[in-house]
Amino acid sequence: NAGVMQNPRHLVRRRGQEARLRCSPMKGHSHVYWYRQLPEEGLKFMVYLQKENIIDESGMPKERFSAEFPKEGPSILRIQQVVRGDSAAYFCASSPDGRALMTQYFGPGTRLLVL
Amino acid sequence: GDSVTQMEGPVTLSEEAFLTINCTYTATGYPSLFWYVQYPGEGLQLLLKATKADDKGSNKGFEATYRKETTSFHLEKGSVQVSDSAVYFCALSKAGGTSYGKLTFGQGTILTVHP
Repeated sequence: NAGVMQNPRHLVRRRGQEARLRCSPMKGHSHVYWYRQLPEEGLKFMVYLQKENIIDESGMPKERFSAEFPKEGPSILRIQQVVRGDSAAYFCASSPDGRALMTQYFGPGTRLLVL
Repeated sequence: GDSVTQMEGPVTLSEEAFLTINCTYTATGYPSLFWYVQYPGEGLQLLLKATKADDKGSNKGFEATYRKETTSFHLEKGSVQVSDSAVYFCALSKAGGTSYGKLTFGQGTILTVHP
C-alpha cells in the first residue's frame, strides 16, 4: 500500500511566481491536512480538507494561499505571488477519517525555496 | 488556545544511554497525544500515541505515559542507538464533540546519539 505521496519534493521559485504543491493521500483515505514547517520551527497546521470540501482553513494566511481536494486527483496547495517568507517545508498528511485519535500519515514533504 | 511545549534541545547522548524528552501540553477537553519522529530529509512518522489518561504508548523501545494530572507526555527510552538520531515532535489533537484530528505540535527536539 503506497504511502502519502507529495510532489515535487523540491521546488524553487522566484518572488512573484506561483507555487503548486500536490499531495496524493494513502489509498482509502479521504481526509487531508496540510502543515508548514518553517526553518528551525515545528509544524503548523494550515488547512484540513475532505473530498471537495474545505473543513478548516484557520491556519492558512488570508491572502495568496488556497487549497483544494477535488473529487478526482490529488490535493493541491497553491501559493500565488510567492515571497521569501514562504520558503519552508510543506507537509501533507492523510487519515481514513477525521477523528482526533486517528493516526495521520505524513508525506515526505515539499521543500519550497523562494529566491 | 491549545499548545505543546517540549524541552529545548539539542540533546546529545552516547549509545546505550537513557533518554528522556519532556513534553507538556495545554488544552481544554481530552486530547489525544502523539510522538512523531522525523529523520533527515523525510516526513514525520508516528512513533507512538495515547488517547486517554494513564494510557501508555510504546514502540521500538520508546514509551510515553499520558499523565493528565501533570498534563505531560514525556518520551523515554532505556538504551538509545545511533539510529535513533532524529527530530522528535510531541503533538496533540482534540477529541470530543465536533473536534477532529488537527495536530498541534511542539517545536521539536533534535536528538544526536554518538557511538
